[in-house]
Amino acid sequence: GAGVSQSPSNKVTEKGKDVELRCDPISGHTALYWYRQRLGQGLEFLIYFQGNSAPDKSGLPSDRFSAERTGGSVSTLTIQRTQQEDSAVYLCASRPNFRGSHNEQFFGPGTRLTVL
Amino acid sequence: GENVEQHPSTLSVQEGDSAVIKCTYSDSASNYFPWYKQELGKRPQLIIDIRSNVGEKKDQRIAVTLNKTAKHFSLHITETQPEDSAVYFCAASIDFGDDKIIFGKGTRLHILP
Repeated sequence: GAGVSQSPSNKVTEKGKDVELRCDPISGHTALYWYRQRLGQGLEFLIYFQGNSAPDKSGLPSDRFSAERTGGSVSTLTIQRTQQEDSAVYLCASRPNFRGSHNEQFFGPGTRLTVL
Repeated sequence: GENVEQHPSTLSVQEGDSAVIKCTYSDSASNYFPWYKQELGKRPQLIIDIRSNVGEKKDQRIAVTLNKTAKHFSLHITETQPEDSAVYFCAASIDFGDDKIIFGKGTRLHILP
């Protein structure tokens, strides 16, 4: 079946502009995560959605970052007034209902964001 | 919150030798520990995981050990092959809890011919 998809695959923007990154999780997965991966670095947790619960936003680096998940499916990560340090690959992952099932996270291909 | 430390950041081993990557975690409530492999330019993929009710788990050339008392867990790769070259990430989470998965900073493994 279809895996996690993200769009766009690449985004080049100018400093100060807003960007929206989209994630389509695997159908039926209730948990959705956003991570940031700078070049050669690890996976930095940003935000986590689980079903209808309030999202865990504890990893968002500043109030310029926000995310929504509509209808429990598609998620959008928005970065306002982008800065050069926002340049990174943004990875989305989804996970099935953890109760009684395997807990593997399935990652999307990522969106490579370059802020000039 | 949970904090995961991973060592070493880079590891080079001769083909055929074993590789060991170690992680420690801070939250004693964590009970699920996955390992992900990320090949160059690709997305991370789960290779093995372990839960806190188990001390060791094996899958062919890969094994993971867990010491809950010391709050550390390790990945062991035996008979390394060129295709094992990648970045490996450990992670920790509270299964059936807040479910937030925190990753270590990764280990870049080079298999030398």
